[in-house]
Amino acid sequence: SQQGEEDPQALSIQEGENATMNCSYKTSINNLQWYRQNSGRGLVHLILIRSNEREKHSGRLRVTLDTSKKSSSLLITASRAADTASYFCATAPDKLIFGTGTRLQVFP
Amino acid sequence: DSGVTQTPKHLITATGQRVTLRCSPRSGDLSVYWYQQSLDQGLQFLIQYYNGEERAKGNILERFSAQQFPDLHSELNLSSLELGDSALYFCASSVAGTDYGYTFGSGTRLTVV
Repeated sequence: SQQGEEDPQALSIQEGENATMNCSYKTSINNLQWYRQNSGRGLVHLILIRSNEREKHSGRLRVTLDTSKKSSSLLITASRAADTASYFCATAPDKLIFGTGTRLQVFP
Repeated sequence: DSGVTQTPKHLITATGQRVTLRCSPRSGDLSVYWYQQSLDQGLQFLIQYYNGEERAKGNILERFSAQQFPDLHSELNLSSLELGDSALYFCASSVAGTDYGYTFGSGTRLTVV
C-alpha cells in the first residue's frame, strides 16, 4: 500500500522553467525523502527533510514540509532536459514507503 | 555505480519456476530492503533485513522468501512464479534505518512467460 501520493501524476515543461511536485501522506513521520528514477533504472536519493524542519535546499532543489497538512513539495528550479525522470516521495516511520510518483518531462 | 550490486540484471523464466535474486549492499551498510516495482502497483516494500535478522515485512507473498547472510549479502527467492510476478525487483541498503536515505541497486527485471 502507498503511504504517499504525488501530484501531479505527470508534468511537462520547457527547459529553464521551474517544476513543482507535491506529496501527501497519511501517518506521522520521522522524515520525508525524495528520490529520482530514470526510466527502468534504480532510484537515486535526492534530499531528506526531517519532521522538525520546514524547508531544505540542495542545489536546484527546494523541499518544503508541512506536517500539519501532511504534505511536502519538491521544487526543481531552472529545469534541464536531464531532469526528465520520475520523482517519488517516501516517508519514514520505520521503513521507507514510496508514493506513486510524478513523471516529469523537460523539453529542450 | 551506487555501490549496491544486484544480479542478474534480467531474468526470463516460465510460470511455476523458482528464481533467486541476489543483492550485495553498499560497503558498511547493515540494512537491506527489497522492493517490487510493477506498472499497476507502483513501488511496494517487500521485506527488510538488518545484520542478518528479519526486521520488517511488507506486501511479500508466501511464495517469496528472503534471507541475509553473514557477509550481509541478501537473496530473494521467488517460487511458483506467476505471470503477475513480472516486475522490477530492487534491493536497497542503508547504514541502519531511514535517517540517511537508501542506496538502491539497478534492479533485476523479471519476466515470467
